Amino acid sequence: DSGVTQTPKHLITATGQRVTLRCSPRSGDLSVYWYQQSLDQGLQFLIQYYNGEERAKGNILERFSAQQFPDLHSELNLSSLELGDSALYFCASSVGNLAGEQFFGPGTRLTVL
Amino acid sequence: DQQVKQNSPSLSVQEGRISILNCDYTNSMFDYFLWYKKYPAEGPTFLISISSIKDKNEDGRFTVFLNKSAKHLSLHIVPSQPGDSAVYFCAASASTGNQFYFGTGTSLTVIP
Repeated sequence: DSGVTQTPKHLITATGQRVTLRCSPRSGDLSVYWYQQSLDQGLQFLIQYYNGEERAKGNILERFSAQQFPDLHSELNLSSLELGDSALYFCASSVGNLAGEQFFGPGTRLTVL
Repeated sequence: DQQVKQNSPSLSVQEGRISILNCDYTNSMFDYFLWYKKYPAEGPTFLISISSIKDKNEDGRFTVFLNKSAKHLSLHIVPSQPGDSAVYFCAASASTGNQFYFGTGTSLTVIP
């Protein structure tokens, strides 16, 4: 158990809908990272927050947004969903701001029908 | 553009033998590398890391080798055990950067 929790575990929705994925980092970790893993793809970095502020952006679509709250949990919002958004979404956390060892949650599997 | 590549999607090895997983990168600014292991239905877990000031790092049965001139790293598992069967991802970052770039993973199967 990495100490990172993600909810829900599975999510099935329809095209055009909006969903919110939630992540609670390990106790004491200030950074939260979001990744997308599509079929046969590596982990694609989406976005990083550090202590409530956005610090780095990767291949995140404009339809996607995220935030980190004062209690350090984070939410990833996906809107106007398309079939191609079906993927595993992982959250990871780390102590610091710069890239270092990250601890991953179990992931949320999103299926868009 | 994939900056970190794992060209072997899968690898099968007999129990007790050596497993060698390879990873190539293109960005010469990368100076910190990690290997993660992932079981089905779980998130990746950290396995071992290496910084560019070293060319080898060992942790028990796991050794990572870094060849900076070739922009290549490899993970050696000796001896391989059935419990090592998982997907292995390599990841790279620049020490001043915020993000890791991950490869597409190699699925290792250790045959008893």
